[in-house]
Amino acid sequence: QITLKESGPTLVKPTQTLTLTCTFSGFSLTTLGVGVGWIRQPPGKALEWLALIYWTDDKRYSPSLNSRLTITKDASKNQVVLTVTNMDPVDTATYYCVHRKLTGDAFDIWGQGTTVTVSS
Amino acid sequence: QSVLTQPPSVSAAPGQKVTISCSGSTSNIDNNYVSWYQQFPGTAPKLLIYDNDNRPSGIPDRFSGSKSGTSATLGITGLQTGDEADYYCGTWDLSLSAYVFGPGTKVTVL
Repeated sequence: QITLKESGPTLVKPTQTLTLTCTFSGFSLTTLGVGVGWIRQPPGKALEWLALIYWTDDKRYSPSLNSRLTITKDASKNQVVLTVTNMDPVDTATYYCVHRKLTGDAFDIWGQGTTVTVSS
Repeated sequence: QSVLTQPPSVSAAPGQKVTISCSGSTSNIDNNYVSWYQQFPGTAPKLLIYDNDNRPSGIPDRFSGSKSGTSATLGITGLQTGDEADYYCGTWDLSLSAYVFGPGTKVTVL
């Protein structure tokens, strides 16, 4: 059974860097085809894809946030980390860690999400 | 502003059918698989349809997906009050080299 769980601060100040950790189980990030990503959702708004890291360590980022995002993996710890620099109140959202389906590009398993508020 | 377009809301009576459209372009829907996600308030989204028209294990066959050219459609038959949720389409966009979601459609059971 695949599970993912997000962890990190619930409150950050403007201009600070947000670091979120996704700890997963039930699969390995060294397995062919595996990918883990991050998706966020501001209150009352739509889903927004942020980043994806593959088993090869190949990475993809949202073009609108590219310069502010970094995604890394530690396969030995079953963790994926997302950092977002220069946080702003508009970055207030629930951040989800997701498992990419082995074939195609769907996200088949989602973490419960972690809510991050940006406020001074 | 999303590169995918969905109607903000659809509604129908219990037992009826609703369809939700997802319109895109040749850089996304036309050349990639489409997925659909269901989200209830306060909970994480759930994969409903993948690869245009496939249902994950446990998803009732009342839910169906289709794709034609630059558009995709989610259909829900035998509508139930428990189907009231937000529904999002998603796909990869080749031009953006990014995964994109539609703005979401709220389904209301009258």
